[in-house]
Amino acid sequence: AQRVTQPEKLLSVFKGAPVELKCNYSYSGSPELFWYVQYSRQRLQLLLRHISRESIKGFTADLNKGETSFHLKKPFAQEEDSAMYYCALSGQGMDSNYQLIWGAGTKLIIKP
Amino acid sequence: EAGVAQSPRYKIIEKRQSVAFWCNPISGHATLYWYQQILGQGPKLLIQFQNNGVVDDSQLPKDRFSAERLKGVDSTLKIQPAKLEDSAVYLCASSLVRLRGIEQFFGPGTRLTVL
Repeated sequence: AQRVTQPEKLLSVFKGAPVELKCNYSYSGSPELFWYVQYSRQRLQLLLRHISRESIKGFTADLNKGETSFHLKKPFAQEEDSAMYYCALSGQGMDSNYQLIWGAGTKLIIKP
Repeated sequence: EAGVAQSPRYKIIEKRQSVAFWCNPISGHATLYWYQQILGQGPKLLIQFQNNGVVDDSQLPKDRFSAERLKGVDSTLKIQPAKLEDSAVYLCASSLVRLRGIEQFFGPGTRLTVL
């Protein structure tokens, strides 16, 4: 089964503290994983994808195939990081077409 | 560059009524997606178009939901008749091409409340 699990619905940390948003996946093939973010009153947008191996807004995410995880990390949280974060997996749908399978999301609150 | 446009932004209807949502993707984007996002859940793909053809509608409840993209640009999603469980945000997204891993660009969504 293709599935993405984000175990925390809500994560609250103080400004300047490290942040880790957890994402676990279930997929039999070679996974492609993404983090999307939705800031208050804004649209859902791509934050980063694992194939790019990039750091966006100080966030990084490493694919760990052994643990089937793709956790999102930032060493020092900023108030503007407060948002809803979704982990997504590019999995196979009808006729082998790839589609995004989404986690339920984690609401990140950065306290001043 | 203009983003994905959707209308209306909000809609309240009674059960058994009909409703339609409209989406205008980013210019030049061949692939268009409709998602349903129920409160507390991630988006769920309802239907995916490549130009004006359906690529994947395996999760579309076809007894009440329909969608079209007649000229390969704008798209409409219709629910007829609506049920209480259809209350959700309906998101439209588009991407330049249909490739695994390509970025999807989202519209603001339409929040549907069925009473």
